[in-house]
Amino acid sequence: GESVGLHLPTLSVQEGDNSIINCAYSNSASDYFIWYKQESGKGPQFIIDIRSNMDKRQGQRVTVLLNKTVKHLSLQIAATQPGDSAVYFCAEKSGNTGKLIFGQGTTLQVKP
Amino acid sequence: DTGVSQDPRHKITKRGQNVTFRCDPISEHNRLYWYRQTLGQGPEFLTYFQNEAQLEKSRLLSDRFSAERPKGSFSTLEIQRTEQGDSAMYLCASSPEPQGKKLFFGSGTQLSVL
Repeated sequence: GESVGLHLPTLSVQEGDNSIINCAYSNSASDYFIWYKQESGKGPQFIIDIRSNMDKRQGQRVTVLLNKTVKHLSLQIAATQPGDSAVYFCAEKSGNTGKLIFGQGTTLQVKP
Repeated sequence: DTGVSQDPRHKITKRGQNVTFRCDPISEHNRLYWYRQTLGQGPEFLTYFQNEAQLEKSRLLSDRFSAERPKGSFSTLEIQRTEQGDSAMYLCASSPEPQGKKLFFGSGTQLSVL
């Protein structure tokens, strides 16, 4: 399953399938891009980050892809599990500022 | 539990009242952040501290909001003369790294202003 366009509020996938969550960012000067996962009733949880001088970074079952030409970021989750159900946010950070700028989230629903 | 702790979890108040929230970060983290989140939206930056110094405040933070971290450990966020538009989840996070890209969030304080 894949979210398309600038933002799709909900992505529904079958357990075991791969998921792709997309994000468009705004600041071409951002030097870090980060994905967070937020489960109901909890604060966001760090998943993975990527520096602006990289195109791809892999973690455990997750891969982040960065396309600076079109200012696009994606999170790929392999073999999606019920525990992956949550809202996913991309965030960007630039320079020495302490703040992260979060995008609107995508809700991932995993069907058993 | 050695994660970020926030108190209270829920606060209901009447418009015009003052409220104060507390955040206890992970003990060895010197950076502490406050964010606000409304339903369906991503967290919105309010302010952050490095140790006891408040280094950055959002322009969205009105004069009714004040945050402190007096000893470089716990922090408080006070909202004076609350308005209905202040209703939101107030999230605290801490980070051990200077880049501040990996934040450890608490579960937040849900504020409802009636």
